[in-house]
Amino acid sequence: GQSLEQPSEVTAVEGAIVQINCTYQTSGFYGLSWYQQHDGGAPTFLSYNALDGLEETGRFSSFLSRSDSYGYLLLQELQMKDSASYFCAVRDGAGRRALTFGSGTRLQVQP
Amino acid sequence: GAGVSQSPSNKVTEKGKDVELRCDPISGHTALYWYRQSLGQGLEFLIYFQGNSAPDKSGLPSDRFSAERTGGSVSTLTIQRTQQEDSAVYLCASSSSGGPQSTGELFFGEGSRLTVL
Repeated sequence: GQSLEQPSEVTAVEGAIVQINCTYQTSGFYGLSWYQQHDGGAPTFLSYNALDGLEETGRFSSFLSRSDSYGYLLLQELQMKDSASYFCAVRDGAGRRALTFGSGTRLQVQP
Repeated sequence: GAGVSQSPSNKVTEKGKDVELRCDPISGHTALYWYRQSLGQGLEFLIYFQGNSAPDKSGLPSDRFSAERTGGSVSTLTIQRTQQEDSAVYLCASSSSGGPQSTGELFFGEGSRLTVL
């Protein structure tokens, strides 16, 4: 099976940088994804890492280390609208197409 | 349509009743997924469709849950004899055919919030 661990809550101030970590255990591995979900809204895709290293998309970056089964999402220049839940997800290598999601990290951005 | 559409957005039912939840995926997306999300929790996988077939039903919690997909498009999730623990938001997602090399991007609907009294 697969499991993912991420912190339940993170608090930061506007303009700051925050890192949300994710560790995973899978029987195989095809990539780590990150999703954002505002209260009452649909999860939306942020990023995907299949290979080791950093992927940057505007204010958001995502990092993966396959040898450590670890990744993180980095949010820079935090804005109030970034307050949301962030989920890491893996697609394992057992032929399963569905993503397995972590329990989510609730980010609160304070003024 | 432009995005994944789900209906109803809210459903309140009495314990023991059957409910049907509908998902209309993005046009052309062959893969369709159902997830369940309890309040403040992560997303729990229920079932995956590729076309009209369901190669992975491993997440369905009991035989009261079933789903079908017709015409490679609309899907219906049916919960029979609902229980209070079935209360949750049921999310549908779709993606292009994908595979291990895909980006892993799923497009989610806004969900159907089910409350069982």
